[in-house]
Amino acid sequence: QKEVEQNSGPLSVPEGAIASLNCTYSDRVSQSFFWYRQYSGKSPELIMSIYSNGDKEDGRFTAQLNKASQYVSLLIRDSQPSDSATYLCAVNIRTGGFKTIFGAGTRLFVKA
Amino acid sequence: ETGVTQTPRHLVMGMTNKKSLKCEQHLGHNAMYWYKQSAKKPLELMFVYNFKEQTENNSVPSRFSPECPNSSHLFLHLHTLQPEDSALYLCASSQDRESPVYGYTFGSGTRLTVV
Repeated sequence: QKEVEQNSGPLSVPEGAIASLNCTYSDRVSQSFFWYRQYSGKSPELIMSIYSNGDKEDGRFTAQLNKASQYVSLLIRDSQPSDSATYLCAVNIRTGGFKTIFGAGTRLFVKA
Repeated sequence: ETGVTQTPRHLVMGMTNKKSLKCEQHLGHNAMYWYKQSAKKPLELMFVYNFKEQTENNSVPSRFSPECPNSSHLFLHLHTLQPEDSALYLCASSQDRESPVYGYTFGSGTRLTVV
């Protein structure tokens, strides 16, 4: 089993809809969780971080964490064509020091 | 300049060449990283430096040699690479290795092609 799993997509949603991106992880001692956005040909950019169970909202983005079920999700409300990108889930585990594991990413396509 | 700056943006090199990638961060961070990103694969951590000391080497072949002269600069020296080493090489920084609360700031990457 991969340590951090994401559906590779592409996930296609119409403009204005809610895009839901999911990520599962295998290590129960995971400490903190991140979502990065990566436009084609560009580097990843941190957009959300979450550390405790529940929801965290920032503008049109909501991160949801459920440690018991070992999943973290990202909701994008009122999706725009400019949200079209690959979204990377990253999980920090503490094994001595910290180790960050990335998922392979989900491609999101928002249709105008 | 702000953020994390990487040069060059693109690099084409033969298998017998020697080249270096450069990374500079202007964020006052103490930890710097090299990651490799291949198509449709997760980011692969290569090296970690914390307060200029190498703290992690993820079984990277010796044809990749990192150098960190200070907390702001990181190099990746390349020699006798193979075509399968072609990838996007990303430099990143964070406040320090033990408190990744704010995640990473990535540089723009170097697209490396080995011919």
